[in-house]
Amino acid sequence: DQQVKQNSPSLSVQEGRISILNCDYTNSMFDYFLWYKKYPAEGPTFLISISSIKDKNEDGRFTVFLNKSAKHLSLHIVPSQPGDSAVYFCAASWFGNEKLTFGTGTRLTIIP
Amino acid sequence: DTAVSQTPKYLVTQMGNDKSIKCEQNLGHDTMYWYKQDSKKFLKIMFSYNNKELIINETVPNRFSPKSPDKAHLNLHINSLELGDSAVYFCASSQAGLAGVSYNEQFFGPGTRLTVL
Repeated sequence: DQQVKQNSPSLSVQEGRISILNCDYTNSMFDYFLWYKKYPAEGPTFLISISSIKDKNEDGRFTVFLNKSAKHLSLHIVPSQPGDSAVYFCAASWFGNEKLTFGTGTRLTIIP
Repeated sequence: DTAVSQTPKYLVTQMGNDKSIKCEQNLGHDTMYWYKQDSKKFLKIMFSYNNKELIINETVPNRFSPKSPDKAHLNLHINSLELGDSAVYFCASSQAGLAGVSYNEQFFGPGTRLTVL
């Protein structure tokens, strides 16, 4: 039972344009969401997070949007840069729970 | 200065062998984790330790046994290795478990690619 889903296994975006990565979840207990970025042969690196009391969190070129009613979140990267090419994982947790549940990842390729 | 380190990075071994993967973190975190990323790239938690105490133990075969000699180290021992154990294993750590800190941004190691022949 996959509680966090990333339905797009891959995405290609032109350099300078906006990249939008999507994530859906099914467990209503989740109230904290994170995005991780992973390069080949490296561990995932934390990118940005959002708690359920917010619907938007911004950090430089990265913005995460949360739609609780739709159980959907998205990561916007603008402008996209070649160094953004990586696999992006969405993860979810809830207050007091030490476990992160990950999606299956989306491979983002930025085309120069 | 590496925050979460794992050794070895690659491990190739025969079926039936026993092997260990070591993990160390220098972030001062109280909680450490082991994740398995299978061939479908699905990253799933196996264990979590808080200050040397087992907190999370997902449905993992008992051939897998975590050992935490101190809160900076969490090693993974695997007995009687099977073909299906081939995967990339990631160690991670976080501040979770401290009073007032429950949301956990986890810091990951570089991974250990285990291949069982």
